[in-house]
Amino acid sequence: EVQLVESGGGLVKPGGSLRLSCAASGFTFSSYSMNWVRQAPGKGLEWVSSISSSSSYIYYADSVKGRFTISRDNAKNSLYLQMNSLRAEDTAVYYCARELPAARAAFDIWGQGTMVTVSS
Amino acid sequence: QSALTQPPSASGSPGQSVTISCTGTSSDVGGYNYVSWYQQHPGKAPKLMIYEVSKRPSGVPDRFSGSKSGNTASLTVSGLQAEDEADYYCCSYAGSNNRGVFGGGTKLTVL
Repeated sequence: EVQLVESGGGLVKPGGSLRLSCAASGFTFSSYSMNWVRQAPGKGLEWVSSISSSSSYIYYADSVKGRFTISRDNAKNSLYLQMNSLRAEDTAVYYCARELPAARAAFDIWGQGTMVTVSS
Repeated sequence: QSALTQPPSASGSPGQSVTISCTGTSSDVGGYNYVSWYQQHPGKAPKLMIYEVSKRPSGVPDRFSGSKSGNTASLTVSGLQAEDEADYYCCSYAGSNNRGVFGGGTKLTVL
């Protein structure tokens, strides 16, 4: 079964750091670009970051640029998001999502999400 | 990058058709044939329903169709069923520095 499972969410104080992980299974992880998408409570979806299959190309939304770092370990079939200098507005469910090859902005497999709460 | 514009709500009776619009600019929706649509039920992860404007992933019923004209994309759900009641989000590629700009979402109610 094709699956993505996020972990690492939790409660953190403003200015703090957190590292999210996403474990992939059931497909050839190293062949796909991967993304993080977040959803604040009661709000819509927001694309956060993207990494190509070989980590050659990395992109960030302006809202997280300079604070978040995306990475992957193809040997471990894992995707990561290092989040530093966290703000209240970063509070959201964070999803990892697989991107269809050659199809931009087409996220075909999603994890169940992990909740990040930034509060003092 | 501003979010794409969707109506906050839409509704229809079982068996009817409903169309949800998604308006962007020439920098996103109008500039690329990379518009996707996602269905999200409460407490669940989003599900890809349409990609590249009008393509359906395997397993998505052909009651769901997509189109685009200029800077506006549309999702049409035909033969509405109770299980179609959900939030729907459009998404567009907007260049290499913005891999996906989403709409604000539309809550579809099946009356």
